[in-house]
Amino acid sequence: SQQGEEDPQALSIQEGENATMNCSYKTSINNLQWYRQNSGRGLVHLILIRSNEREKHSGRLRVTLDTSKKSSSLLITASRAADTASYFCARVNTGFQKLVFGTGTRLLVSP
Amino acid sequence: SAVISQKPSRDICQRGTSLTIQCQVDSQVTMMFWYRQQPGQSLTLIATANQGSEATYESGFVIDKFPISRPNLTFSTLTVSNMSPEDSSIYLCSVPLESVETQYFGPGTRLLVL
Repeated sequence: SQQGEEDPQALSIQEGENATMNCSYKTSINNLQWYRQNSGRGLVHLILIRSNEREKHSGRLRVTLDTSKKSSSLLITASRAADTASYFCARVNTGFQKLVFGTGTRLLVSP
Repeated sequence: SAVISQKPSRDICQRGTSLTIQCQVDSQVTMMFWYRQQPGQSLTLIATANQGSEATYESGFVIDKFPISRPNLTFSTLTVSNMSPEDSSIYLCSVPLESVETQYFGPGTRLLVL
């Protein structure tokens, strides 16, 4: 399958805890991105990391990329109830222009 | 940034009928994308809609089932034809941000086929 695999499929934590989601893929990539989807609505772009980058930060988000292992992780620090959503990794494969989405992680942050 | 709207936001349809979903963008864009998200699943690209040319469909999707129009640079429609319950999904349109690498998504159309 072209889709990336994400784990865990579902994650339940308390407010204030950190949430870590992982994404693996099989092909070479130009970049890898993370999107958030609230309650089956439209997706919101969170962060993009290029294939020559290893780590990137944006507010409470930290993304890492290990191209040798073909994997990426998204860390949300000090989580809030409002972070409850589904999170998808998406990549642009080398030589193509299309986004390929991973299977997603459903995050539940309880107050 | 871009503001994208979709109509309808949701619909319940009978099998065998067709539904046309509209996607409106507040700025001119060359490429628009249509995705399907089946219940509990990830997004799958249906096709890329380019103004002035026929849409480019992904493997597993055909024009007869999902005809697309792109009459101008701010608007596109996707029709789900001869619907069956398996077509129950969220359908989303998207447009590129600064480059095709990242995309703005519309709010989606939630379709239930009975």
